[in-house]
Amino acid sequence: DIVMTQTPVSLAVTPGEPASISCRSSERLFESHDGNTYLDWYLQKPGQSPQLLIHTLSYRASGVSDRFTGSGSGTDFTLKISRVEPEDVGVYYCMQRSDFPWTFGQGTKVEIK
Amino acid sequence: QVLLVQSGAEVKKPGASVKVSCKASGYTFRSYGIVWVRQAPGQGPEWMAWISTYNGNTKYAQNFQGRITLTTDTSRNIAYMEVRSLRSDDTAVYYCAREGGMDVWGQGTTVTVSS
Repeated sequence: DIVMTQTPVSLAVTPGEPASISCRSSERLFESHDGNTYLDWYLQKPGQSPQLLIHTLSYRASGVSDRFTGSGSGTDFTLKISRVEPEDVGVYYCMQRSDFPWTFGQGTKVEIK
Repeated sequence: QVLLVQSGAEVKKPGASVKVSCKASGYTFRSYGIVWVRQAPGQGPEWMAWISTYNGNTKYAQNFQGRITLTTDTSRNIAYMEVRSLRSDDTAVYYCAREGGMDVWGQGTTVTVSS
């Protein structure tokens, strides 16, 4: 199975400041035949179902702020928040669906200073 | 509005089975597979399985192989997941989600396994 490792485990950010979360896969996530890298990012707010932020490496889900950007290749992937806002608090997860079984990172908890 | 609505909370004894349903609305059911994810208390999500709503093909995580079964009723736009031989460590919130970057999630079904 592909192991996804996120860093940091937690992050406290001042509103308006940027934040970055890293996700590393134990195996290279190869581009599929259609040229896509199936790496997604989710945010789970307290008491809620996870919500999709970024799919297929860098595509923002419908309604997601352009403050969120996904990037990376191979085994190293990053989620960047350009200016953290109070509503961004929660736990962020990366997930690969390049190969079965799909696997999640262990999560990065983002808090506001 | 695209929705996935799951069945209600369940309390089961060890060794029992549970069947969770996930009813889709607002989109063409057979155009997207359904993914099942669970989340134990205080833990991150764990991918369990996937089913093609088009042809019924399935993929299961090794941890659950032989203990869970996914099915669909395409006439009613419902996906089901049955988990057998429940153990206390199966206590979790079980989610269904629409595949393809899991952009739509059900509200979750809490399954508690306790004697």
